[in-house]
Amino acid sequence: EVQLLESGGGLVQPGGSLRLSCAASGFTFSSYAMSWVRQAPGKGLEWVSAISGNGGSTYYADSVKGRFTISRDNSKNTLYLQMNSLRAEDTAVYYCAKPLYDTSGYVNYDFDYWGQGTLVTVSS
Amino acid sequence: EIVLTQSPATLSLSPGERATLSCRASQSISSYLAWYQQKPGQAPRLLIYDASNRATGVPARFSGSGSGTDFTLTISSLEPEDLAVYYCQQRSNWPLTFGGGTKVEIK
Repeated sequence: EVQLLESGGGLVQPGGSLRLSCAASGFTFSSYAMSWVRQAPGKGLEWVSAISGNGGSTYYADSVKGRFTISRDNSKNTLYLQMNSLRAEDTAVYYCAKPLYDTSGYVNYDFDYWGQGTLVTVSS
Repeated sequence: EIVLTQSPATLSLSPGERATLSCRASQSISSYLAWYQQKPGQAPRLLIYDASNRATGVPARFSGSGSGTDFTLTISSLEPEDLAVYYCQQRSNWPLTFGGGTKVEIK
């Protein structure tokens, strides 16, 4: 059974940093690209970042480019999101999500598994 | 950036009725569109991928159609448990984008 378990959320002051983790199990983690998606309180979904299976390619939303860094440790089956220079508008539940398939480098970024999410609150 | 516009914002229907949800893309995305269901307090759930393919375990009352810029999610006969917000998402171009959602209410 595929499981994604996020951790690392919490309350942080504007300008601060936080690192989120997503522990994956139930599938061959290193064979799949992974992604982070966030949802501000009472709002819709916003894609944040993605990373290829080997970590060699990364993608970011303009809203977080230069402030957030996605990475992965395939030996630990864990996905990370390092968030720096946090702003109030980064307040959201952050989900890690697994794409539907990743075949020979072609990734279908429709997300068939999601974690339960971790809440990040940026406030003074 | 490809903008996805969902309509209506809210749909209020009785059990057994047919629900038709729309998603319009700001430019052609071929069939690279997914639909998700998000119930209160839960993570999103993939319903439809590649515009018209039901994901594993999704009931047959959910169907998707469309290509290019206009897409539709249809719930053929609404069940009380279908109360949720439904989102579309495109994977044609970076950045990946989601629509604003349609809230389905059960009368």
